Amino acid sequence: GEDVEQSLFLSVREGDSSVINCTYTDSSSTYLYWYKQEPGAGLQLLTYIFSNMDMKQDQRLTVLLNKKDKHLSLRIADTQTGDSAIYFCAETSGTYKYIFGTGTRLKVLA
Amino acid sequence: DAGVTQSPTHLIKTRGQQVTLRCSPKSGHDTVSWYQQALGQGPQFIFQYYEEEERQRGNFPDRFSGHQFPNYSSELNVNALLLGDSALYLCASSLTDTDTQYFGPGTRLTVL
Repeated sequence: GEDVEQSLFLSVREGDSSVINCTYTDSSSTYLYWYKQEPGAGLQLLTYIFSNMDMKQDQRLTVLLNKKDKHLSLRIADTQTGDSAIYFCAETSGTYKYIFGTGTRLKVLA
Repeated sequence: DAGVTQSPTHLIKTRGQQVTLRCSPKSGHDTVSWYQQALGQGPQFIFQYYEEEERQRGNFPDRFSGHQFPNYSSELNVNALLLGDSALYLCASSLTDTDTQYFGPGTRLTVL
C-alpha cells in the first residue's frame, strides 16, 4: 500500500543545517514534494523533485532522493527562526492524489 | 496573481448538521482537490474535480460530496456531521496534466 513516514520532531540551533527525512513505499512515485505549514495556516510548496533525479538545489534548500531505498531528504542550510514550522513530504504516482507523511515539526533555537 | 482562496476561515457546527466549504483556484488552474487534515496529522485526500466531474476519490464516505463550477471554483459539502469531522479542510488547485498542487489557507471546521 501507499505510505509515507517522517520523524516527528527535529530541533536545531540557528545557523546550523537541518535535515528532514522521509521514506515512502510506492515505487511508482513520479513526483515527491516538500511543503511547509506554519501554525494555523495552509501548506506552502517549498520544492519538488521528479523521480528520475537524485538531487535538486534551490537557494537554501537541497533535496536528495534515493529511489532504491525510497528515501527523500530536505536539507535547509543556515536555518533561521522563521524556518520553525511543520514540514510535510508528499508523493504522487500520477493518480492525482497526494499521499502525505505525518509531518516533522522543526524547532529552531536562537 | 491571486493564489488559492477558501471560505469561510472558521466554522462551528453541531452534530447532524450540514456544511458547505468553498474554494477558488489559483488563476489559470482548472483542477481542484480537497483534503482533510485532522489535528497532528498529514492531509488526507478526499477527492479531485476536473471539468466539473469527480475524477478520483479517497477513502471518505458518501456524506462527503463536492461540486465544481464552470469557472473552476469548487464546493465541498459534508452531511450529517460527526465529531470526527472536525479538522482543517484544505483545497488545492493545479493545472491538469501537471502534478503540482498549490494549497489554500484552509477552513477550520469544529463540530460540537
